[in-house]
Amino acid sequence: QVQLQESGPGLVKPSETLSLTCIISGGSISNNYWTWIRQPPGRGLEWIGHIHYSGSTKYNPSLKSRVTISIHTSENWFSLKLISVTAADTALYYCARGRDYTTDYPVDWGQGTLVTVSS
Amino acid sequence: DIQMTQSPSSLSASLGDRLTITCQASQAINNFLNWYQQKPGKAPKLLIYETSKLETGVPSRFSGGGSGTDYTFTISSLQPEDIATYYCQQYEDLPLTFGGGTKVEI
Repeated sequence: QVQLQESGPGLVKPSETLSLTCIISGGSISNNYWTWIRQPPGRGLEWIGHIHYSGSTKYNPSLKSRVTISIHTSENWFSLKLISVTAADTALYYCARGRDYTTDYPVDWGQGTLVTVSS
Repeated sequence: DIQMTQSPSSLSASLGDRLTITCQASQAINNFLNWYQQKPGKAPKLLIYETSKLETGVPSRFSGGGSGTDYTFTISSLQPEDIATYYCQQYEDLPLTFGGGTKVEI
């Protein structure tokens, strides 16, 4: 069973860059979509974007100018960078694996990592 | 973006009750609709995909239906372990979008 684990700083200052990694174990990063989703405290789910193992990316238009998702296939992890953060970016950030090579909705999720934006 | 309107936002039910949650999309989504369950402090778990298909290992008391813009999620007999928040999610188009959630309480 594939497992995903998010990691990164829990506190980021306003205007700085949020950087998270998602390490995959128990499976290969190949042949799938890899996704970032966030959830502000007490609120609903927002899709940030995904990367296909081939390297192609899609982002939520609401965040597109600030987000970059990268994949590191030889090391079995992928990452999220969000620049110019504000308090509105405070959230629980999840990484997730898509259904398969052609289907992107998330099936397997990490446990999530809380990122707080505050000075 | 496709907007997903989910109702009710919360509901209180008794063990053994049958309950139904609805999700309306802002445009037709061709049955590309999933339902997730999220328990407090946990990541969402996929229960139903493509409107009505049960994910492996999910109890048969969960079911889904619908078409076009209107979809439903039903628990036929509420169990204690079903206390959670449920989200619909469309994958007809990007960005993937979620409903606002339904918190199920006893």
